[in-house]
Amino acid sequence: GDSVTQMEGPVTLSEEAFLTINCTYTATGYPSLFWYVQYPGEGLQLLLKATKADDKGSNKGFEATYRKETTSFHLEKGSVQVSDSAVYFCALVTPYNTDKLIFGTGTRLQVFP
Amino acid sequence: NAGVTQTPKFRVLKTGQSMTLLCAQDMNHEYMYWYRQDPGMGLRLIHYSVGEGTTAKGEVPDGYNVSRLKKQNFLLGLESAAPSQTSVYFCASSRPPTGPNYGYTFGSGTRLTVV
Repeated sequence: GDSVTQMEGPVTLSEEAFLTINCTYTATGYPSLFWYVQYPGEGLQLLLKATKADDKGSNKGFEATYRKETTSFHLEKGSVQVSDSAVYFCALVTPYNTDKLIFGTGTRLQVFP
Repeated sequence: NAGVTQTPKFRVLKTGQSMTLLCAQDMNHEYMYWYRQDPGMGLRLIHYSVGEGTTAKGEVPDGYNVSRLKKQNFLLGLESAAPSQTSVYFCASSRPPTGPNYGYTFGSGTRLTVV
């Protein structure tokens, strides 16, 4: 079935470091891909998305490129801040199962000054 | 601009008690969802609805019931609470995923403890 796999956390970085959080997927057809962020004590918020191969989603300095050949949607940021500390969820929806998003298990990012 | 509102925000129940969690959205979204979030488990879908008067089971529906009598409201019921239902519950809503603005809007969560 359709699924999303994220790298295990926590990811611990110093401020201004480069961030990569890996996400790979298995899906029937060509899914749309999403990254959500959950700050402490809050619900999830949509961070960025991409709906077709080679699309790049971007927001707040974060980027992710839809790579069909490697079935990946890795999240990157060039210079993280303490305020980026949160849990990041990768998710997909497929043309064959359009009722709901399928989420990965989340990756916790901790950024220290 | 309220978005998705969940009530209550916190609740402590005794084993065997019942309760209803309310989710309300003001964005005219067709789809609504209930998730639970447990440490190390990510989000697990309990039930969802693709329109007023419809409901469907998710991954972990046992012990829960839902109703969608009005488009803007999605209720999650626990008939006889168990300690295993201690969790943080999130409601979300969305348009159908065929449009360009598709994406979930989440509420801020209900933290439920069953003792």
